[in-house]
Amino acid sequence: QSVLTQPPSASGTPGQRLTISCSGGSSNIGSNTVSWFQQVPGTAPKTLIYSNNQRPSGVPDRFSASKSGTSASLAISGLQSEDEGDYYCAAWDDSLNGVVFGGGTKLTVL
Amino acid sequence: QITLKESGPTLVKPRQTLTLTCTFSGVSMSTRGVGVGWIRQPPGKALEWLAVIYWNDDKRYSPSLKNRLTVTKDTSNNQVVFTMTNMDPEDTATYYCAPSTDIWVPPRYWGQGTLVTVSS
Repeated sequence: QSVLTQPPSASGTPGQRLTISCSGGSSNIGSNTVSWFQQVPGTAPKTLIYSNNQRPSGVPDRFSASKSGTSASLAISGLQSEDEGDYYCAAWDDSLNGVVFGGGTKLTVL
Repeated sequence: QITLKESGPTLVKPRQTLTLTCTFSGVSMSTRGVGVGWIRQPPGKALEWLAVIYWNDDKRYSPSLKNRLTVTKDTSNNQVVFTMTNMDPEDTATYYCAPSTDIWVPPRYWGQGTLVTVSS
């Protein structure tokens, strides 16, 4: 059971806008920054978002994220087939004294 | 440009100790705020955070595994060494080295990962 809660799956059609939610608590999302990672099957995770809403260079601006209270969300606009993969949220947890991850959301582009 | 590579055995026997080395460039463990973390992913499962060591030698471990884990750093050689004792088949996973550039945050960069299988 993951500390952060994500929907196990999400799907959309090309061009659509889609959001993935991440729910936590006061000791993690509520008091620390959130990161989002994309993992294409068979490859290492890639950082999409750090510090709640910052994109590393090279990440398209189709990817955006926000945080409110103890929840965060990742938005993908103009969905593309190459966006298929698993998406994870993560944050530092002050009670556990370490990083906690969500269980991952498998994105399918129909 | 940051490059990361995990190295170590691909197969370990039950009850043995796993030792993995992360060799990196483009980031320095002498820089304030820098940390190198370890995350694993069993086949078909989610990411699991294991440990982190910071530039000032501060270390944090997963509470559920802390009795089995050790991380050390060799700043001059840009390496971090991860050890996990008493390996079990359930520890079969891809192990990632993943640096961060600030304290108490998730990793910013990821190595390619190394698959470690625990089997007799």
